[in-house]
Amino acid sequence: GESVGLHLPTLSVQEGDNSIINCAYSNSASDYFIWYKQESGKGPQFIIDIRSNMDKRQGQRVTVLLNKTVKHLSLQIAATQPGDSAVYFCAENLPSYGKLTFGQGTILTVHP
Amino acid sequence: EPEVTQTPSHQVTQMGQEVILRCVPISNHLYFYWYRQILGQKVEFLVSFYNNEISEKSEIFDDQFSVERPDGSNFTLKIRSTKLEDSAMYFCASSDSSRTDTQYFGPGTRLTVL
Repeated sequence: GESVGLHLPTLSVQEGDNSIINCAYSNSASDYFIWYKQESGKGPQFIIDIRSNMDKRQGQRVTVLLNKTVKHLSLQIAATQPGDSAVYFCAENLPSYGKLTFGQGTILTVHP
Repeated sequence: EPEVTQTPSHQVTQMGQEVILRCVPISNHLYFYWYRQILGQKVEFLVSFYNNEISEKSEIFDDQFSVERPDGSNFTLKIRSTKLEDSAMYFCASSDSSRTDTQYFGPGTRLTVL
């Protein structure tokens, strides 16, 4: 889930485990959602996206699930690797708007 | 793989000074954005830019900020008179005409105002 202030939610997993990162988005009119990965000192890196007419989308080792009823988004990472360690942000977009609204982020730490 | 680039990677300035942050978006992209991230906080939208004009701006983007596309490749953010609270990471992003909401981000410029 989300938190306020400087204390980000954290998730620690062992290498090889599956990870699930959650996000509650704010606007029921948002129709497009993206997960970004941010490594220390770097910019957000696109992982996977989903439109509001879908409830699931799969990529390579990643799956995004969208539950519009409760405004919830999740990112599942299969067989998590140490290189997956980063902060993960969800972002939402309203129709016809170019600006993304980011969530607070979740710190994922993968232990070898 | 094409990517967004930004310069400088780190800018240190005195309060009240002007700074210009530079970005080279992905070459076939037509939509450009600036975001900022204060240390430990979430990424915040500043401004979007298309067809040589601002499409949308946030309340953060006040009269001290301006953007420009001075040539066919660069996109700049100018802060006229920096304040201590402008210290943050500034990210440029771009998207193409077919997927305006799929934005690709640069590595960021860390701005430190002393």
